[in-house]
Amino acid sequence: DAGITQSPRHKVTETGTPVTLRCHQTENHRYMYWYRQDPGHGLRLIHYSYGVKDTDKGEVSDGYSVSRSKTEDFLLTLESATSSQTSVYFCAIRRGGVTGTTQETQYFGPGTRLLVL
Amino acid sequence: EDKVVQSPLSLVVHEGDTVTLNCSYEVTNFRSLLWYKQEKKAPTFLFMLTSSGIEKKSGRLSSILDKKELFSILNITATQTGDSAIYLCAVITSGTYKYIFGTGTRLKVLA
Repeated sequence: DAGITQSPRHKVTETGTPVTLRCHQTENHRYMYWYRQDPGHGLRLIHYSYGVKDTDKGEVSDGYSVSRSKTEDFLLTLESATSSQTSVYFCAIRRGGVTGTTQETQYFGPGTRLLVL
Repeated sequence: EDKVVQSPLSLVVHEGDTVTLNCSYEVTNFRSLLWYKQEKKAPTFLFMLTSSGIEKKSGRLSSILDKKELFSILNITATQTGDSAIYLCAVITSGTYKYIFGTGTRLKVLA
């Protein structure tokens, strides 16, 4: 499981409240990612990080912010939750070769189910 | 805009059948293509493909990449009910190391 944990695993919240999801890794990987998964859309990238304090937007970043103050933690914040943000959120790390000739892949955390009422 | 398209979206077969799942892509700065299997939890890695024409195999699963025609296929022979899952294809782009996922193919194998 590449030592990735997510917290909380389940959350129910109300529209308009801020929500923070935490991803924690124990293997010192540089790249970390946040995705959401919805029926019919597959996995969509929200934000990713390529180092401490280095982050970039993905394809569905509106309404989300991230922070990475330590290598092991990548936080995803929903600034003011909306019902459209009800989803399953996965964190992932990239593990593998620098040159592209060796195996590389992402390993995923267990996911967080978020329901926004 | 970079995109990855998988087909079919869903598939129902009987045990013992052979299935072929398709993944086509249009991305700038292609680096590698990956296949994942997702059952009820998080996706798990199956294959990484970087070079055209080289088949990767793992048991009853195999996959190949065609970088000229921009697609990959995942074959599963002698399917079993345990193969029932969503199969995801993703492309890695160079430079940013972004992973772009397709919508997945939902496979159901009936006993």
